[in-house]
Amino acid sequence: GQNIDQPTEMTATEGAIVQINCTYQTSGFNGLFWYQQHAGEAPTFLSYNVLDGLEEKGRFSSFLSRSKGYSYLLLKELQMKDSASYLCAGLDSNYQLIWGAGTKLIIKP
Amino acid sequence: SAVISQKPSRDICQRGTSLTIQCQVDSQVTMMFWYRQQPGQSLTLIATANQGSEATYESGFVIDKFPISRPNLTFSTLTVSNMSPEDSSIYLCSVEEENRGQGNTQYFGPGTRLTVL
Repeated sequence: GQNIDQPTEMTATEGAIVQINCTYQTSGFNGLFWYQQHAGEAPTFLSYNVLDGLEEKGRFSSFLSRSKGYSYLLLKELQMKDSASYLCAGLDSNYQLIWGAGTKLIIKP
Repeated sequence: SAVISQKPSRDICQRGTSLTIQCQVDSQVTMMFWYRQQPGQSLTLIATANQGSEATYESGFVIDKFPISRPNLTFSTLTVSNMSPEDSSIYLCSVEEENRGQGNTQYFGPGTRLTVL
């Protein structure tokens, strides 16, 4: 079956760095997405990886290892507004998104 | 990215009634999707709506319960029929866009928060 695993909740301190891990099992693979979802709002697109390696976008970076079925989202210089759920989603061979349940990130001052 | 709006933003409905949710996009898109997200849960795809053809429903979702219209490339509706409290959820419309180097990315509307009493 297809599956996306990510931690349910993480806590970090303002100004610090946090890494949110995601492992995936999909039927075929056409990429890995990360979305941010604030409470009560729709998900917003953060990043897309299809090749191995690190993609950096400002304070956020996303990493992919296809051989390990593994990705992480790295958030630097954490701000209180980064408190949100972070959704990992894999794109399978039918170009269908398989969604993880999300990681709720709590930022403490 | 496309700008997506949904109406209504929220509603409280009685058991046994139906609600139609509208999704409007500011550009023409081929693929539109309807999702449901129950509290604390992951997104669940209900169906894919392509203009000019019948919607494709995922396992566990049927047309009689969730009829979908897609009359043109900028608009779609999802109806939640004969509602029960178990249908209380956030319903999200999304569209797929091709972004250079970003894959076929999905962008989401603001969602419709439905509570069924």
